[in-house]
Amino acid sequence: QKEVEQNSGPLSVPEGAIASLNCTYSDRVSQSFFWYRQYSGKSPELIMSIYSNGDKEDGRFTAQLNKASQYVSLLIRDSQPSDSATYLCAVNMDNNDMRFGAGTRLTVKP
Amino acid sequence: EAGVVQSPRYKIIEKKQPVAFWCNPISGHNTLYWYRQNLGQGPELLIRYENEEAVDDSQLPKDRFSAERLKGVDSTLKIQPAELGDSAVYLCASSSRDSLYEQYFGPGTRLTVT
Repeated sequence: QKEVEQNSGPLSVPEGAIASLNCTYSDRVSQSFFWYRQYSGKSPELIMSIYSNGDKEDGRFTAQLNKASQYVSLLIRDSQPSDSATYLCAVNMDNNDMRFGAGTRLTVKP
Repeated sequence: EAGVVQSPRYKIIEKKQPVAFWCNPISGHNTLYWYRQNLGQGPELLIRYENEEAVDDSQLPKDRFSAERLKGVDSTLKIQPAELGDSAVYLCASSSRDSLYEQYFGPGTRLTVT
């Protein structure tokens, strides 16, 4: 079982819709969770971090964490074509090393 | 505040040749990471430094890869000799305890081995 799993996509949504990205992880003691956005040919850019159960909102982005289910998600409201990118879920494992999922490719169609 | 700096940005070498990548982390970040990212995959950790100490190099192919972080600031990752399968993007990231280990990435070095 992979340590961090994401649907590879591609996920396609129309402009203005809500994009929902999901991630599961295997290490029950993980405490820190991150979402990175990566444009083609660029390096990952941190967009959200979440450390406790529940929702965390930042502008159009909402991260949701459920440690009991070992599940973390990212919602993007009012999706824009500029949101088209690969979204990487990252989990800080028990030994303080970060493990990344393979990423979900999101396309927002005008 | 300057971000993570990496050089070179691109490198093309023939197999069996050596190559080195350099990274300068964000000022004050004591933790430095080297990752390798293959196309369509997430970054894979190669080595993590806490100050000048390599605390996790379990994923580093030690027969051909080496790394150092002298004085706990800049770091160099070396491959010798390079193989075709080493073609990838090599990413450096840094973090600090004060920022709850949020990692910030440099632009990466795209290595092509021919």
